[in-house]
Amino acid sequence: DPKIIQKPKYLVAVTGSEKILICEQYLGHNAMYWYRQSAKKPLEFMFSYSYQKLMDNQTASSRFQPQSSKKNHLDLQITALKPDDSATYFCASSPDWYEQYFGPGTRLTVL
Amino acid sequence: GDQVEQSPSALSLHEGTGSALRCNFTTTMRAVQWFQQNSRGSLINLFYLASGTKENGRLKSTFNSKESYSTLHIRDAQLEDSGTYFCAAPPPSSFSKLVFGQGTSLSVVP
Repeated sequence: DPKIIQKPKYLVAVTGSEKILICEQYLGHNAMYWYRQSAKKPLEFMFSYSYQKLMDNQTASSRFQPQSSKKNHLDLQITALKPDDSATYFCASSPDWYEQYFGPGTRLTVL
Repeated sequence: GDQVEQSPSALSLHEGTGSALRCNFTTTMRAVQWFQQNSRGSLINLFYLASGTKENGRLKSTFNSKESYSTLHIRDAQLEDSGTYFCAAPPPSSFSKLVFGQGTSLSVVP
């Protein structure tokens, strides 16, 4: 059974719309993260949360808002979508700040 | 800023051969992770090291924090080893994130 679930797997959106990317982890970890990978580039850190509190934010735009309704959930709301937002978004989790484990990703395409 | 430099950027191996991938860090990192990104885009955890050497099957990794580098050795390469290999490390400036290298694209050919 997958331990980190990301939904949806693929997402197509129109410019200016709003989408929510879902992430749930069943590893019992207290820290969760979002990363973004644009085409053929390395992953870039976006946010980190611990016990549902924001720890670090490396995203310049306020259009990206993480939302944590439960300890094992960290969703990512993206508003006013732009074509440059097209990327694969990975959720990850870890016990405290140690080894991170990644979900399968959500591939977002903005038209 | 905190940088992770990977080499080589691309590598082609014949089945049964081996090679080493390297990560150099521009600052002292407290740990390193190695991942394989497969053709479906999934990130597979290979190693987490805070120091020393770990081995798992045909893979071996070393982390030298004092000299700011890590290596991943692959021996007896198989076709399924093809993919992109990333190293990543938590920088001292922010313990709650990983900084990724640019990746090594590995192609194993018959």
